[in-house]
Amino acid sequence: DIQMTQSPSSLSASVGDRVTITCRASRGIGNSLAWFQQKPGKAPKSLIYAASSLQNGVPSKFSGSGSGTDFTLTITNLQPEDFAIYYCQQYRNNPPTFGQGTKLEIK
Amino acid sequence: LQLQESGPGLVKSSETLSLTCTVSGGSLTRNNLFWGWIRQPPGKGLEWVGNIYYSGSTYYTPSLKSRLTIVADTSKNQFTLKLNSVTAADTGVYYCASGWFAELYPDYWGQGALVTVSS
Repeated sequence: DIQMTQSPSSLSASVGDRVTITCRASRGIGNSLAWFQQKPGKAPKSLIYAASSLQNGVPSKFSGSGSGTDFTLTITNLQPEDFAIYYCQQYRNNPPTFGQGTKLEIK
Repeated sequence: LQLQESGPGLVKSSETLSLTCTVSGGSLTRNNLFWGWIRQPPGKGLEWVGNIYYSGSTYYTPSLKSRLTIVADTSKNQFTLKLNSVTAADTGVYYCASGWFAELYPDYWGQGALVTVSS
């Protein structure tokens, strides 16, 4: 299985800040990477697919980049509703695998 | 597209966990989608369980393959997960999900169903 490692595991930031979360794959996955946001007690929500393509309806404050093994999710102008857990997922090889998650907390 | 999980919230150890996902706003017979299950142990991350396609073909994650069955009932627009010989390690929230068949990342998620395995 391809292992996905996110860093950091947790992150404190303030409203208005810009943050970046990193996801690293144990071997190359091209651009077959998705990002999800999960709030407490809710299902994950798809944000980005193909490493950098924004899902319909997702605000442009979210952006993704990378290819191969290293990927980033950047969120600008943090608002209270952005504080959540973020997961990356590779879908290049079966089984699809997720990172362990990055918890974004309010400072 | 909306997905909704249903099934028992409590299952005894060594028995079979069974959950059904009812699809609305779209047809299970769409040949460009996958229909899958993802689970999340309490306080932990996400794990792909398996998925089924319109053709009836399935993919099961290898660690669960020997215990797992996913079937579809197109007449009811539902698909069902059955996981046998469960243990406490199978406790968690089970999500049904869907997306484009060629790339296994979910665009659509159910709200999730908590299943607790008791001894």
